Amino acid sequence: EVQLVESGGGLVQPGRSLRLSCTASGFGFGDYAVSWVRQAPGKGLEWVSLIRNKAYRGTTEHAASVKGRFTLSRDDSKGLAYLQMNSLKIEDTAVYYCTRALYSSGGNGYYSDYWGQGTLVTVSS
Amino acid sequence: EVVLTQSPATLSLSPGERATLSCRASQSVSNYLAWYQQKPGQAPRLLIYDASNRATGIPARFSGSGSGTDFTLTISSLEPEDSAVYYCQQFRNWPLTFGGGTKVEIK
Repeated sequence: EVQLVESGGGLVQPGRSLRLSCTASGFGFGDYAVSWVRQAPGKGLEWVSLIRNKAYRGTTEHAASVKGRFTLSRDDSKGLAYLQMNSLKIEDTAVYYCTRALYSSGGNGYYSDYWGQGTLVTVSS
Repeated sequence: EVVLTQSPATLSLSPGERATLSCRASQSVSNYLAWYQQKPGQAPRLLIYDASNRATGIPARFSGSGSGTDFTLTISSLEPEDSAVYYCQQFRNWPLTFGGGTKVEIK
């Protein structure tokens, strides 16, 4: 069974850092990209960042709202992906979902076929 | 950035009725569009990818159509458990973008 479990969320002050982890199981983690999607309280979904698999050299993409502040990494041997969030802002407050991302041949991007349950990040003083 | 506009914002229908949800893109995304269902307190679930392909385990009452800029998610006969918010997402261009969602209420 495919499972994705996020951890590392919590309350953090503006300007500080936080690292989220995503633990994957039940599939060949190294063969897939990992995408992070967030949802502010009572709001819709917002794509945040994506890290490709090793075949695509683990390259990353970021939404403009987090570019330069968030970075991604992965440890395929452990089935782990990380979202390092620096210089956090109040507007980064959201539930952060880790997803398994599938590349659509012919397209440029990815859609998410499995989602974790999410971890809440609250940025507040 | 591709902007996805979903309509209506809310749809209130009775069990057994047909639901038609719209997603319009600000520029062509070909058929690189997905639909997700999100129930309260739960993570989203993939319903449709490549505009019209049902994801694994998704009931046949869910279908997707469209290409270019206009897309439709149809629920042929609503069940009580279909009460949820539905989102479209394009993956033709970066950044990946989502629509604002359509809430489906079951009377």
